[in-house]
Amino acid sequence: DAGITQSPRHKVTETGTPVTLRCHQTENHRYMYWYRQDPGHGLRLIHYSYGVKDTDKGEVSDGYSVSRSKTEDFLLTLESATSSQTSVYFCAISVALDRNTEAFFGQGTRLTVV
Amino acid sequence: GNSVTQMEGPVTLSEEAFLTINCTYTATGYPSLFWYVQYPGEGLQLLLKATKADDKGSNKGFEATYRKETTSFHLEKGSVQVSDSAVYFCALLDTGNQFYFGTGTSLTVIP
Repeated sequence: DAGITQSPRHKVTETGTPVTLRCHQTENHRYMYWYRQDPGHGLRLIHYSYGVKDTDKGEVSDGYSVSRSKTEDFLLTLESATSSQTSVYFCAISVALDRNTEAFFGQGTRLTVV
Repeated sequence: GNSVTQMEGPVTLSEEAFLTINCTYTATGYPSLFWYVQYPGEGLQLLLKATKADDKGSNKGFEATYRKETTSFHLEKGSVQVSDSAVYFCALLDTGNQFYFGTGTSLTVIP
């Protein structure tokens, strides 16, 4: 699993409340990603980071913000949760192995907005 | 832009049947191609990969060949088992270190 931990694993929250999801890695890899997984859509990129304080938007970034103040932590924040943000969220890191790159994923966070 | 298209599911097969899941891609440059597998309640795990044209990735009896001329990376297995039941994702990695995923294909293998 390349040392990726997501927290919490499950969360139920009310519409309009802020929510922060945490992704922690133990191996100091540069690239980190947040995806959401929804039926019929596969995985869609929300935001990604290519270093401390270096982040950029993905395909579905509206309503989300991220922060990366340390190499090992990448936080995803829903400033004001909406029901459309009910989803399973996956963090991933990009790892170069033998000059090839592959992605390793966390176990996911199931978020329900009621 | 870059994108991945894979066959829609769900796919249901009997044990020992032959499996094909089609995947085609659109990309500039020379992407790397992957198949990831997701078991219930878990994250995605790398199944196999190929980094250049004509490369064949293989793992656990699954195979896929990087076909640049047809921009395809179809997943095959000669004899599926019940334990292969999962969701399979085709993906590409572009030269900017961005991953693009297909929508996933759910496979159920029945005894």
